[in-house]
Amino acid sequence: SQTIHQWPATLVQPVGSPLSLECTVEGTSNPNLYWYRQAAGRGLQLLFYSVGIGQISSEVPQNLSASRPQDRQFILSSKKLLLSDSGFYLCAWNDLAGDGEQYFGPGTRLTVT
Amino acid sequence: GNSVTQMEGPVTLSEEAFLTINCTYTATGYPSLFWYVQYPGEGLQLLLKATKADDKGSNKGFEATYRKETTSFHLEKGSVQVSDSAVYFCALRNRRGGGKLIFGQGTELSVKP
Repeated sequence: SQTIHQWPATLVQPVGSPLSLECTVEGTSNPNLYWYRQAAGRGLQLLFYSVGIGQISSEVPQNLSASRPQDRQFILSSKKLLLSDSGFYLCAWNDLAGDGEQYFGPGTRLTVT
Repeated sequence: GNSVTQMEGPVTLSEEAFLTINCTYTATGYPSLFWYVQYPGEGLQLLLKATKADDKGSNKGFEATYRKETTSFHLEKGSVQVSDSAVYFCALRNRRGGGKLIFGQGTELSVKP
């Protein structure tokens, strides 16, 4: 069966520091991968998605970047964090062979101080 | 464009009450529809789905019927439990949009004993 992992689970970083969040998927090949942010409210904001290694699409201009160095690995990064980068970051995957449902990881809670 | 609108929360119910969370959508063609649930501090879990008109998705006592004529996918449960307290998200996938999902803003449900 497929599983999705995210780490770290929680992170407290000072303003101006770098960021690296990692997401890995097991049990599937060539998944679509997604990064979302959930701010203080409940809404989900799609940040990036990837349909293959090295292929990244950005949904919103911002302080963050994403990379996909391996088929089942998706990394969210920043060179200098802002206070507004605080939030709950969720990684998800899906397989276009299915009905389109996405499967989410457990999330990373980021607090920028 | 594609969009999903959910009823405003929070919704507060007593245990064993009947639940309805309204969801309407705007999309071209025939999207797939989904309900996700998010428990505090966790990622989203797929609750149920429907892929064509008049399909009924069901899981854990929850149901939703894909109504093409009213562009709706309302979530219902006959008797809620305290453990159903969570945030519920309605979402659609339009095949023309690839694998991306369009989410509603989420509806918080609080069930009191």
